[in-house]
Amino acid sequence: DIQMTQSPSSLSASVGDRVTITCRASQSITNYLNWYQQKPGRAPKLLIYAASSLHTGVPSRFSGSGSGTDFTLTISSLQPEDFAAYYCQQTYSTVSTFGGGTKVEIK
Amino acid sequence: EVQLVESGGGLIQPGGSLRLSCAASGFTIGSKYMSWVRQAPGKGLEWVSVIYSGGSTYYAESVKGRFTISRDNTKNTVYLQMNSLRAEDTAVYYCAAPLSGGGFDPWGQGTLVTVSS
Repeated sequence: DIQMTQSPSSLSASVGDRVTITCRASQSITNYLNWYQQKPGRAPKLLIYAASSLHTGVPSRFSGSGSGTDFTLTISSLQPEDFAAYYCQQTYSTVSTFGGGTKVEIK
Repeated sequence: EVQLVESGGGLIQPGGSLRLSCAASGFTIGSKYMSWVRQAPGKGLEWVSVIYSGGSTYYAESVKGRFTISRDNTKNTVYLQMNSLRAEDTAVYYCAAPLSGGGFDPWGQGTLVTVSS
């Protein structure tokens, strides 16, 4: 199975900060990489699909980049509602896998 | 409105069986692949299984041989039959549908499975 390694596992940031989360695949997944946001007690929400495509209704402060094995999720200016957990997911393989998650906390 | 609603979770003893259901509305599952994802308490997301429109199925190693995914297109519903349940299967189980172009959207609200004696 393809392993997805996300970093950092947690971070503390302030409102207005630029935040970057990285995700590395154990083999090339071209651009079959998605990003999700999850708040406590809620189902995950799709933010970015196909590495860099913004899902409908997602604020433009979220962006994704990368291809092959290395990917990045960037929040350009962190807002109070962005404090949550973030996960990457590969759908290149029929056996999909998620990264371990990044918890974004208030500094 | 596009929606997925899971049901069937509950408390079950180790070694027991449970069947989860995922009912779709607002779209037909017939032409889509459908997936199950779980999340143990306080842990991250774990992909569990997928069933394609043609009927092909795939599983995570952790559940292979114990879980079976199926679909009934006439009922617009996907199922997850879970046998030989273990304590480590305790989790909220979500079903999810693919967005054309990639990614899972929508997701259901989740159903909690607790395996404990």
